Amino acid sequence: DAMVIQNPRYQVTQFGKPVTLSCSQTLNHNVMYWYQQKSSQAPKLLFHYYDKDFNNEADTPDNFQSRRPNTSFCFLDIRSPGLGDAAMYLCATTAAQGYEQFFGPGTRLTVL
Amino acid sequence: GEDVEQSLFLSVREGDSSVINCTYTDSSSTYLYWYKQEPGAGLQLLTYIFSNMDMKQDQRLTVLLNKKDKHLSLRIADTQTGDSAIYFCAVANDNQAGTALIFGKGTTLSVSS
Repeated sequence: DAMVIQNPRYQVTQFGKPVTLSCSQTLNHNVMYWYQQKSSQAPKLLFHYYDKDFNNEADTPDNFQSRRPNTSFCFLDIRSPGLGDAAMYLCATTAAQGYEQFFGPGTRLTVL
Repeated sequence: GEDVEQSLFLSVREGDSSVINCTYTDSSSTYLYWYKQEPGAGLQLLTYIFSNMDMKQDQRLTVLLNKKDKHLSLRIADTQTGDSAIYFCAVANDNQAGTALIFGKGTTLSVSS
């Protein structure tokens, strides 16, 4: 089935140790998003790619970077994770003319 | 900026109707969504409504939109234990690709048998 896949589902890292989260999609959608969802909070958009164009939300910390090497894959890099970065990270996609965002299962990041 | 508010918890008995409420602040919000999140899973789109509609029904789900009061509700008829999850209201002011969805904090629905 076409879907949005996130790996790993659970990631543990140490304070300050760089970590990369992965998202892939078989929907061939133009747009890929990364959301951060802290415990009992609303998902919050970090940034998105429209094809190869990167769009950062104004309040996304510089510690967060993203790469999209091709249509199918998008990566979230956290350069120096702090305790406050522990959260669920959700990847989503949408077609260029679509209004529905399709979400992956998320990666739960723990920072020790 | 846009603010979306939801009550945090709702508890119902199996077979009853559930009504989850949401309010938003931006009157230009045009696309309004309800997402469901089960434990450990991502967000699943349940239904949506456009601002030119007052009501949308989809099987057991009924969405009501009061634009004047900026109030959105989701009614689940004949609630089942499998409906237990967190329900998120989300709004957007256009459907251009890349538009951020603004989410509420989610309502945890607990269904007892």
